[in-house]
Amino acid sequence: KAGVTQTPRYLIKTRGQQVTLSCSPISGHRSVSWYQQTPGQGLQFLFEYFSETQRNKGNFPGRFSGRQFSNSRSEMNVSTLELGDSALYLCASSLEGLVQYFGPGTRLTVT
Amino acid sequence: AQSVSQHNHHVILSEAASLELGCNYSYGGTVNLFWYVQYPGQHLQLLLKYFSGDPLVKGIKGFEAEFIKSKFSFNLRKPSVQWSDTAEYFCAVSVSSGSARQLTFGSGTQLTVLP
Repeated sequence: KAGVTQTPRYLIKTRGQQVTLSCSPISGHRSVSWYQQTPGQGLQFLFEYFSETQRNKGNFPGRFSGRQFSNSRSEMNVSTLELGDSALYLCASSLEGLVQYFGPGTRLTVT
Repeated sequence: AQSVSQHNHHVILSEAASLELGCNYSYGGTVNLFWYVQYPGQHLQLLLKYFSGDPLVKGIKGFEAEFIKSKFSFNLRKPSVQWSDTAEYFCAVSVSSGSARQLTFGSGTQLTVLP
């Protein structure tokens, strides 16, 4: 089975812009979770979607949002980018949300 | 809310040395425990997991971990490390309640194995 894919792999944006990241889960997986990885804060949970519904949300501002489509693909959006949003954004897919398999991530740089 | 502590931030070993990385969590209920590894330039990979049953679990590449409930610990071990084990290791926990799942990660331990 193909693994979790994320696009784009690298992105450079300017403060104030908005960005959309995409994640395609492993075939058959219905749960998609998003995490932010930074040197200072480590890996932090953003949100989880299961069957197109947000099932859980981490402690991030409303500028961070996401959605899941009927084919389980997911997107996350960050509006009004700040310098501190520079991070590696990881997507993880799972059958039911318990054992999570991670994609390669999208490296976002905000200038 | 649960939290995870990894006390060793950077460990340096010579090849063939034994490895033990500490992981402690704080949560009073039932937990699911994981170790993930991130090799340089690669994505996070699942090393092993514990849900219930035998507290000694074996994972890929010769790694094992022991769940000690009384100590809230889930330490990772390997009897003899190789240069290729150089990577960052993350302990993670998810709680076993409800349908929502999220992984809470420790801060990671960078392992450097010298040839």
